[in-house]
This record gives sequence, C-alpha cells and structure tokens, in this order.
Amino acid sequence: DAGVIQSPRHEVTEMGQEVTLRCKPISGHDYLFWYRQTMMRGLELLIYFNNNVPIDDSGMPEDRFSAKMPNASFSTLKIQPSEPRDSAVYFCASSPATFVQATHYGYTFGSGTRLTVV
Amino acid sequence: DQQVKQNSPSLSVQEGRISILNCDYTNSMFDYFLWYKKYPAEGPTFLISISSIKDKNEDGRFTVFLNKSAKHLSLHIVPSQPGDSAVYFCAAKDSGGGADGLTFGKGTHLIIQP
Repeated sequence: DAGVIQSPRHEVTEMGQEVTLRCKPISGHDYLFWYRQTMMRGLELLIYFNNNVPIDDSGMPEDRFSAKMPNASFSTLKIQPSEPRDSAVYFCASSPATFVQATHYGYTFGSGTRLTVV
Repeated sequence: DQQVKQNSPSLSVQEGRISILNCDYTNSMFDYFLWYKKYPAEGPTFLISISSIKDKNEDGRFTVFLNKSAKHLSLHIVPSQPGDSAVYFCAAKDSGGGADGLTFGKGTHLIIQP
C-alpha cells in the first residue's frame, strides 16, 4: 500500500490566489482528516469525513477554507482567497475505524503539503 | 486554550541515556493517549498509546506512563539512539465524545547527541 498520498508537496502562491490541496487516503479507510501544523498552534484538526460525509468542520478557521470528499479515494482542501497567515504544513490522515484495537488508534498521515503564501 | 500541552519545545539527551518527554492535559474526558513521532518533511507516525484504564504501556525501548490524577503522561525512551532524534507529539482523545479527531500538543523536538 502506498500510504496516504498528498499533493503537491510544496506550494508557493501569492496572496489572494486560490489554493487546492489534494489527498488520496488508504484504500478501505473510512475516516479522512485534514490537519494544519504551525509553530504557534501545533497540529490542529480542521475537518474530518466519515464515509465521504463531512462530520465536523468546527476547526476550519474561516469561510475562506472549504473541503470536499467526492468519493472514497479523493479529498481536497481549498483556500480562496489565500492569505499569508495561511502559510503552514497541511496534513491529511486516514483511519480504518474509530478504534481498531483497544490500544491502537490507526491514524496514518501523509507527508504533508507545505504552503507558503507571499 | 490548549487542551494538550507539551511545555518543552526541545530536549537534548546523550546517546544511550534515557529520554523523558512530558505531556499534560486539561480535559478530564480524555481516555486514550498517543505519542506520534515526526521526522522532517514526513508526516507523523504512530509510536505508542495508552488507555486510561492503564497506567503503563511498554513497547521495546518505549514506555508511556499515565498519571490520571495529575493529568500527566510521559514517554520514556531507553536507551536513546541517534535515530530517535525527531519531533514527538502527544495526542489525546475522548472516546465517548462523539468526535473522532485527536487533539495534539505542539510537540517536543528531541535531539540525541552522540
């Protein structure tokens, strides 16, 4: 299995432009999560999906952010318009179930997209 | 209002010695705790976890201790090896909360010195 695949790895864009981040979860995983990592706030949950349905988007910072999961193998996170404060590393993660075992919570993270908005 | 706090941004330990990474939490509803390890330019990878019904879980060189009354957990790595140099994230979950996301701390950068 190739794991969780994110693209692009790096994105540099100008303020005001639209940015789209992409994620392909592990096949068979029911959950997909979008996280953002910054120095100030660490890893923050933005939104997650269960069986392609958005469950909790309370972490999405503002209306400029939107996420979709049109099918089980693809999700996007869009920022429109982008601002310099959106610069961060964005991670996608997937999981087969809420709890796979009593002591193992099966999140698998992608390698992330480093976004820089200038 | 960080619910999971890792108060040491970095920690330097000599190779072969014990590394102790600490984590505090404020939400008494958290009942599962996990540690993730992250190398530069990679995503976090799961390391070890513990349920609130336990106070210790061990996996090879890694042991996690949980003190529920103090709302504190720690990760012990012994002996520390150069490959352990990474950022370690503490994470927590309220399994009965109806939400499936993990709450992460800001991370501790562990540096193993030769």
